[in-house]
Amino acid sequence: AQSVTQLGSHVSVSEGALVLLRCNYSSSVPPYLFWYVQYPNQGLQLLLKYTSAATLVKGINGFEAEFKKSETSFHLTKPSAHMSDAAEYFCAVSYGGSQGNLIFGKGTKLSVKP
Amino acid sequence: NAGVTQTPKFRVLKTGQSMTLLCAQDMNHEYMYWYRQDPGMGLRLIHYSVGEGTTAKGEVPDGYNVSRLKKQNFLLGLESAAPSQTSVYFCASRNRDRGPYEQYFGPGTRLTVT
Repeated sequence: AQSVTQLGSHVSVSEGALVLLRCNYSSSVPPYLFWYVQYPNQGLQLLLKYTSAATLVKGINGFEAEFKKSETSFHLTKPSAHMSDAAEYFCAVSYGGSQGNLIFGKGTKLSVKP
Repeated sequence: NAGVTQTPKFRVLKTGQSMTLLCAQDMNHEYMYWYRQDPGMGLRLIHYSVGEGTTAKGEVPDGYNVSRLKKQNFLLGLESAAPSQTSVYFCASRNRDRGPYEQYFGPGTRLTVT
């Protein structure tokens, strides 16, 4: 079965530091890839998505992610963390088809220290 | 545009009670999904629908039923609630024809079964 692995259930960074959230997928066939963010007590909001047009994808709020086929990875980064980035981040993949559902990682909770 | 809305936002049930969660979308999307979110588990697919009048099981369908009588609505039912169904439930929808199969999420329903 296809799966998504997010390394680290909790990541803590200082304000202004680099944010790196890791995501690896299990398939040899490149899927569509997504990062969603969930702020406390809210729904999921799309941060960015990989559509095969470019390996480096820019999203909202200064986040970006790089697709690396050889590593089956889609890590999320932001050069300088802000307090408002504190949230839970989910990596997800989709292979389309008749179901087209998203397969989610277990999530990484990002804390930002002042 | 309201996007995806969910009713109710919160609910407390006693074991054995029944209830229906309502999801509505105004984007004319063909596909609709119900997920549950539990701590450390990410989001898991309960049921989905690829069009009006059709439904299918996802990863964790036991104890739930669904109906899609109208294209814009997707109902999730719990016939006899159990404490294991305490969770946050998210509805999502997407367009059928346009990749990369991005899904749009509702704000969630927080359900507690005592």
